[in-house]
Amino acid sequence: GQQLNQSPQSMFIQEGEDVSMNCTSSSIFNTWLWYKQDPGEGPVLLIALYKAGELTSNGRLTAQFGITRKDSFLNISASIPSDVGIYFCAGQITTSGTYKYIFGTGTRLKVLA
Amino acid sequence: EAGVTQFPSHSVIEKGQTVTLRCDPISGHDNLYWYRRVMGKEIKFLLHFVKESKQDESGMPNNRFLAERTGGTYSTLKVQPAELEDSGVYFCASSLHPNTEAFFGQGTRLTVV
Repeated sequence: GQQLNQSPQSMFIQEGEDVSMNCTSSSIFNTWLWYKQDPGEGPVLLIALYKAGELTSNGRLTAQFGITRKDSFLNISASIPSDVGIYFCAGQITTSGTYKYIFGTGTRLKVLA
Repeated sequence: EAGVTQFPSHSVIEKGQTVTLRCDPISGHDNLYWYRRVMGKEIKFLLHFVKESKQDESGMPNNRFLAERTGGTYSTLKVQPAELEDSGVYFCASSLHPNTEAFFGQGTRLTVV
């Protein structure tokens, strides 16, 4: 079945540093979403990407939909302590009129003050 | 506007018992999804409702899981009888259209002992 490889699995960074994470697959996706999950909460949508090559920003976050439609990256600039959490990518596939999101395994981010 | 709400937030049951999870989607969202995250693994698709119809239930693990969405509003996911491997966090999400961003609830953490 479809699989998303998300990397890195975890990262420790200093406050103020930039962060980059990505998701790759052998499958083509129609939509990419990036979510952040805090402990005890559900995933919160950060950025949605709908077109190949699309580059979208949301504050300090920037994400891009890869040209091949098989990958996406998320960058966080000037990280702050509240950026701590698990970041998930999700790619949407459409098969015979059905729609589902395939999730990456997550990137656990820890920010050292 | 209220987001996706799930009830209960936590449930601890014994193996063999029955548990019913409830999801109230964002008002007006015809598309409702159930996902599950088993410890340390990725968030996996279970099924997709369009209004009261099951559009895609390819992710349902087995026939111990039954999802319903009578009237096309809230949805329930029943596990009967529960097994140890059913433990995890069950997320519900909703979207306005099947190809637009999905918004998640806070999840129900199910522990089967």
